[in-house]
Amino acid sequence: AQSVAQPEDQVNVAEGNPLTVKCTYSVSGNPYLFWYVQYPNRGLQFLLKYITGDNLVKGSYGFEAEFNKSQTSFHLKKPSALVSDSALYFCAVRDIRGYSTLTFGKGTMLLVSP
Amino acid sequence: DSGVTQTPKHLITATGQRVTLRCSPRSGDLSVYWYQQSLDQGLQFLIQYYNGEERAKGNILERFSAQQFPDLHSELNLSSLELGDSALYFCASSPYSGSTDTQYFGPGTRLTVL
Repeated sequence: AQSVAQPEDQVNVAEGNPLTVKCTYSVSGNPYLFWYVQYPNRGLQFLLKYITGDNLVKGSYGFEAEFNKSQTSFHLKKPSALVSDSALYFCAVRDIRGYSTLTFGKGTMLLVSP
Repeated sequence: DSGVTQTPKHLITATGQRVTLRCSPRSGDLSVYWYQQSLDQGLQFLIQYYNGEERAKGNILERFSAQQFPDLHSELNLSSLELGDSALYFCASSPYSGSTDTQYFGPGTRLTVL
């Protein structure tokens, strides 16, 4: 069975500082990995995904994520946080083998203070 | 705006009742996915339809059912509603049914069961 862990319920960072939202995964084969963001009273918005190739994936709004196979991690990063980045962030995984659905982590609330 | 539309935005009903949630996918997308988001369970995959046929099933209760119509819109039917069914219900769509497909989410329907 596939699973995703987001070990932090909340991450606090000051505006202008770098941010990291952590994600680790477990799949039988190789993973496809996704990050989504949810603003209050809104649906999930796609940020980026890792399918294959370069381990550093660049996405929307200046976000990027690094795939680390040995650590089974896919942490989301941004060099300089904005107050408007405050939202709920979800990591999701899909097994490359066969057909599987997308499994989401429980989400990490990011709070960026002015 | 993802291009996925959901109606209604809010729904308030009583226990034991039946409701229908509607989803229109992005233009050209053949797959529709339904998710339930609640505070205690997080984001749970319910069911997927691809080009009118059921493709994958997740943690969907027997009281719930869905279908996808020839014009590709989808409906999620929830019956014999219980207090615990109160949640946000999201629909997502993707071009095909491949594992690399990005799912694009609608704004959700907030269901309150009193």
